[in-house]
Amino acid sequence: GAVVSQHPSRVICKSGTSVKIECRSLDFQATTMFWYRQFPKQSLMLMATSNEGSKATYEQGVEKDKFLINHASLTLSTLTVTSAHPEDSSFYICSARSRTRPNEQFFGPGTRLTVL
Amino acid sequence: AQSVAQPEDQVNVAEGNPLTVKCTYSVSGNPYLFWYVQYPNRGLQFLLKYITGDNLVKGSYGFEAEFNKSQTSFHLKKPSALVSDSALYFCAVRASYGGGNKLTFGTGTQLKVEL
Repeated sequence: GAVVSQHPSRVICKSGTSVKIECRSLDFQATTMFWYRQFPKQSLMLMATSNEGSKATYEQGVEKDKFLINHASLTLSTLTVTSAHPEDSSFYICSARSRTRPNEQFFGPGTRLTVL
Repeated sequence: AQSVAQPEDQVNVAEGNPLTVKCTYSVSGNPYLFWYVQYPNRGLQFLLKYITGDNLVKGSYGFEAEFNKSQTSFHLKKPSALVSDSALYFCAVRASYGGGNKLTFGTGTQLKVEL
């Protein structure tokens, strides 16, 4: 149990376009979802925390207009990278917390974004 | 503020030998501690956690970790390493109360197990 999926697993786009990444909890309801960014050979940096039905809370230095997060249901959160630029190229990972196991986060497989 | 230190960027071990990946932490109050493993271009896979109870925690794939409150450490260990254990390992901490369930990760330790 506690499986989190992400789609797509890999995306290549042109500079200036917007890209949407989906994060789904497959077998549980996610009261909270987290979005992380990971640069090559570096740790995970928390970008934002989102609770179902409310606005996301962004970490310091993360542009909320650049990285739009929507947590419309208890099983789905989306991250939209707007007007993507090459410096947005990164590995984006989501995680989810369930009501029944609130002390843990369950991680998705990640999405590799490459902006040309 | 909470933090995690993984002092070694890379650990090299011969297959069959014991391995240790070090982690120390800083957090207000009691910690919840986690170890995750990441293979190339993949997300994080959960290995084990310490929430409360026995200081020695056993997890997936034969890994274990010992919570040491006085040394604020949570080192990951395995008695006999396998080549397939080669991966990037992350230690993470969160406070048991408050903080919005935010996890803080260490910088990761690359484990290389050789024949």
